Amino acid sequence: EDKVVQSPLSLVVHEGDTVTLNCSYEVTNFRSLLWYKQEKKAPTFLFMLTSSGIEKKSGRLSSILDKKELFSILNITATQTGDSAIYLCAVGTGTASKLTFGTGTRLQVTL
Amino acid sequence: GAVVSQHPSWVICKSGTSVKIECRSLDFQATTMFWYRQFPKQSLMLMATSNEGSKATYEQGVEKDKFLINHASLTLSTLTVTSAHPEDSSFYICSAQPTGGGNQPQHFGDGTRLSIL
Repeated sequence: EDKVVQSPLSLVVHEGDTVTLNCSYEVTNFRSLLWYKQEKKAPTFLFMLTSSGIEKKSGRLSSILDKKELFSILNITATQTGDSAIYLCAVGTGTASKLTFGTGTRLQVTL
Repeated sequence: GAVVSQHPSWVICKSGTSVKIECRSLDFQATTMFWYRQFPKQSLMLMATSNEGSKATYEQGVEKDKFLINHASLTLSTLTVTSAHPEDSSFYICSAQPTGGGNQPQHFGDGTRLSIL
């Protein structure tokens, strides 16, 4: 059975801090690893990673994949209160890229 | 770009009613759409994969006669919860994958909160 594990489950930080969210996986027929941000409604897409060692960056967010060690990290620098959300890691497998989601990391950024 | 519209956003109905949820890709075509269910404070659980013009593929433990999926066009998939009961109350979210293969991310609708009385 495909498995995606995220840590920590929840995190409270002060505005301006840097955070690192972790995602490890055990799946068959890996295609991609995706990060999503979920606030009140449905997840919004952040990054899609398919190759090891290549960092993807968008503003204060960045992510990298290690396919040998089967994990990914999502970094957020200079956090803001608007970064408060649940961050979901999902692994796509098979030709249909079916996604298996982790339980998410609930991030709260306080003033 | 890559907008997915899900309707309705919230449904409250009596036990025994059937409820239809629509998922539309507004600015792209999607051969494959996915239906998920999310319980409070839990992650998304894939229910089924919906393929345009063919039968849906259901995940283990999901009753296909209870959750009817139709994907009649490249921009629309529907999920019908038949004879809904209180235990079917949940947050249902669809996603659509742009036609062109698995190396494109799924884009999610805003979800439908279903409450069965």
